[in-house]
Amino acid sequence: EVQLVESGGGLVQPGGSLRLSCAASGFIFSSYWMSWVRQAPGKGLEWVANIKQDGSERYYVDSVKGRFTISRDNAKNSLYLQMNNLRAEDTAVFYCARGSSSWYPQFDYWGQGILVTVSA
Amino acid sequence: QSALPQPASVSGSPGQSITISCTGTSSDLGSYNLVSWYQQHPGKAPKLMIYEVSKRPSGVSNRFSGSKSGNTASLTISGLQAEDEADYYCCSYAGSTTSPSFVVFGGGTKLTVL
Repeated sequence: EVQLVESGGGLVQPGGSLRLSCAASGFIFSSYWMSWVRQAPGKGLEWVANIKQDGSERYYVDSVKGRFTISRDNAKNSLYLQMNNLRAEDTAVFYCARGSSSWYPQFDYWGQGILVTVSA
Repeated sequence: QSALPQPASVSGSPGQSITISCTGTSSDLGSYNLVSWYQQHPGKAPKLMIYEVSKRPSGVSNRFSGSKSGNTASLTISGLQAEDEADYYCCSYAGSTTSPSFVVFGGGTKLTVL
């Protein structure tokens, strides 16, 4: 059974940092693109970043470029999102999502989500 | 890049069919057959319902179907059931791997089953 479990969320002050983790199991992690998608309270879904199987390609939405870094450790079946210089508008539930074996932006498995709150 | 426009809400009675539209441009949705649709119940993670415009993942009911014409993609749900009540989001390749985004979601549509 495919499972994605996020951790590392919580309350942080504006300008602070957090590192989200996503533990994957039930599939060959190194064979898939992976993404982070977020959802602000009461709002829609917003794609944040994705990373190729070997980490050689990474893409970000403009609003997080230079502040967030996506990475992965295939030996540990884990995906990460380092978030620096956090802003109030980054407050959201962050989902880890499995992409496909190609770069196609489609997400067939999602974690349960982890809440990040940026507030003084 | 702003969210792809979707109707804020649609409704239908049990057994009826409804269609949710998702409008893009010739630079994104219109040029690529890379549209997917997600169902999200309150407090739950999204679920993939359709990918590559019209393909259904294993386990998704054949009451759900997808299509695309020009710059508009559509999700049709036939034989509406109470459990179909949820938010639905379209998603597309944004047409560029650079600015402003690689992937763009629709604004979401709340489906109410009357």
